[in-house]
Amino acid sequence: AQKITQTQPGMFVQEKEAVTLDCTYDTSDPSYGLFWYKQPSSGEMIFLIYQGSYDQQNATEGRYSLNFQKARKSANLVISASQLGDSAMYFCAMIGERFSGAGSYQLTFGKGTKLSVIP
Amino acid sequence: DTEVTQTPKHLVMGMTNKKSLKCEQHMGHRAMYWYKQKAKKPPELMFVYSYEKLSINESVPSRFSPECPNSSLLNLHLHALQPEDSALYLCASSQDPSGGTYNEQFFGPGTRLTVL
Repeated sequence: AQKITQTQPGMFVQEKEAVTLDCTYDTSDPSYGLFWYKQPSSGEMIFLIYQGSYDQQNATEGRYSLNFQKARKSANLVISASQLGDSAMYFCAMIGERFSGAGSYQLTFGKGTKLSVIP
Repeated sequence: DTEVTQTPKHLVMGMTNKKSLKCEQHMGHRAMYWYKQKAKKPPELMFVYSYEKLSINESVPSRFSPECPNSSLLNLHLHALQPEDSALYLCASSQDPSGGTYNEQFFGPGTRLTVL
């Protein structure tokens, strides 16, 4: 079975500083995808960044980058130059080939990390 | 249009009421999902529709009844709910899920449901 572990229930970061949110995963699938989503208090899940298991380079999207270490099974999210609007819950999630047989995909989510940006 | 819309935003209902949650997307996505999310927990998958057919039902009680009238619309019919069903209900959609592992799901803003 797939599993996502986020060990930091809550994190604080000073505005304009960088922060790393940890995510480790476990899967027996040879091919899988890793996602990070942001959920503000309003409730909407916002897609941030994606990393494929066969991607050679770490994914980057603006201020977000994913530190992918395949051998260690980790996919940490790095947010540079934190802003007050970054305060939210962050979820790491994955999809594997195992779930493609039903013709659809199931995201496995971690428990999330609540990030608070301090002015 | 890269948006998933959900109505209503908030819903309060009694245990004997019948209500429906609605979800709509115009991105041409062929997979649509319902998730339930309790406070401070990750979303839990309830149902998946693929090409307007129910593909996955995660052992959800029959008081929740999904419906996919067409490729753009997804409904969740509610009947005889319990107070523990109070939660945020999220709808999501994604492209054709039949190949590859990249399957970004676009989420709507959710419906906050309170069952009295």
